[in-house]
Amino acid sequence: DAKTTQPNSMESNEEEPVHLPCNHSTISGTDYIHWYRQLPSQGPEYVIHGLTSNVNNRMASLAIAEDRKSSTLILHRATLRDAAVYYCIRKGAQKLVFGQGTRLTINP
Amino acid sequence: DSGVTQTPKHLITATGQRVTLRCSPRSGDLSVYWYQQSLDQGLQFLIQYYNGEERAKGNILERFSAQQFPDLHSELNLSSLELGDSALYFCASSVSGTGVDEAFFGQGTRLTVV
Repeated sequence: DAKTTQPNSMESNEEEPVHLPCNHSTISGTDYIHWYRQLPSQGPEYVIHGLTSNVNNRMASLAIAEDRKSSTLILHRATLRDAAVYYCIRKGAQKLVFGQGTRLTINP
Repeated sequence: DSGVTQTPKHLITATGQRVTLRCSPRSGDLSVYWYQQSLDQGLQFLIQYYNGEERAKGNILERFSAQQFPDLHSELNLSSLELGDSALYFCASSVSGTGVDEAFFGQGTRLTVV
């Protein structure tokens, strides 16, 4: 019951920007949008989260649609180390439920 | 290093046995989550605790149980183990357990049931 929709896979080239989309059309007004990623053989890693406004941190940017029904994770300059499964999650008072995520492949 | 510690890192046991996985959250985090990830599968949410109390339950089998102790560490107990229980088990922690703050994950315990 992740209630977010992401493409199964995406591919990009090294040193180019990557835009990872996520649909969460039934999001409630108090749910935050979280992004995590999981590199092979590692635990998930927090990337970024936000509620309404766009957010930036050292890893990425999060662009949230005005109606909050979708968001986009932006990696400004992809490196080979960014190859991972990226998860978009609605997070409220309970649970942190992961969907299938987007498997991102970075080409050298 | 996320600050979340899981022990042991690896565990091999036989079917029918019982094991305990331990998780020490980051200092100051009150909420703990447990997940199961089978080979090439997604992360299945098992259970969440906040300050010693169960807050949310996911797809946790009746053979599995968990608790969070007064010092905030948590244990996941798996009993009557079956081959299908072989998986990576992750623990995560966060300050409040709500959407306001992020969760930090441990490196996992790899359980192999033979």
